[in-house]
Amino acid sequence: AQSVAQPEDQVNVAEGNPLTVKCTYSVSGNPYLFWYVQYPNRGLQFLLKYITGDNLVKGSYGFEAEFNKSQTSFHLKKPSALVSDSALYFCAVRDTNAGKSTFGDGTTLTVKP
Amino acid sequence: EAQVTQNPRYLITVTGKKLTVTCSQNMNHEYMSWYRQDPGLGLRQIYYSMNVEVTDKGDVPEGYKVSRKEKRNFPLILESPSPNQTSLYFCASSTDRGRNNEQFFGPGTRLTVL
Repeated sequence: AQSVAQPEDQVNVAEGNPLTVKCTYSVSGNPYLFWYVQYPNRGLQFLLKYITGDNLVKGSYGFEAEFNKSQTSFHLKKPSALVSDSALYFCAVRDTNAGKSTFGDGTTLTVKP
Repeated sequence: EAQVTQNPRYLITVTGKKLTVTCSQNMNHEYMSWYRQDPGLGLRQIYYSMNVEVTDKGDVPEGYKVSRKEKRNFPLILESPSPNQTSLYFCASSTDRGRNNEQFFGPGTRLTVL
């Protein structure tokens, strides 16, 4: 069975500081990993994904994520946080051979001015 | 505009009264899926469909039914809703049978079962 863990319910950072939202995963084969963002009263929006290749993946709005196979992690990062980055962030993993998707519980990011 | 639409957006109903939440996408996606979002539990997959006439259970399928008669539509059916199905529901779609492509999400349906 596949699983995703987001160990922090909340992450607070000051505007302009770097941010990290953590994600670890468990799958039986090679993982397809995704980050999504949810703004209040909206559906989820895709940020970035790791399928294969370079371990550092760049995505929308200046976000990037680093895939670490040995640590089974896929942490989301941004060098300089904006107040507008405040939202709920979900990490997700896909089964490479089937259609099942598993999401983490979400991490609320708050960026203070 | 490429989008996933859900109807209704808000619904209050009573225990046992059958209801259907519709989902439609205009992107010719093969893959479609339903999720429920509950505080502290994240998103949990209810059912998914890799293509027309092909559906499979996610992690929390009990109490739900789906059908995929057409590529664009994937309705979620609650035959006898119960209060524990009060939740925020999202439909999503994706290309390439969803294996390595991102999902596009609808705006959500907030369901309350009294």
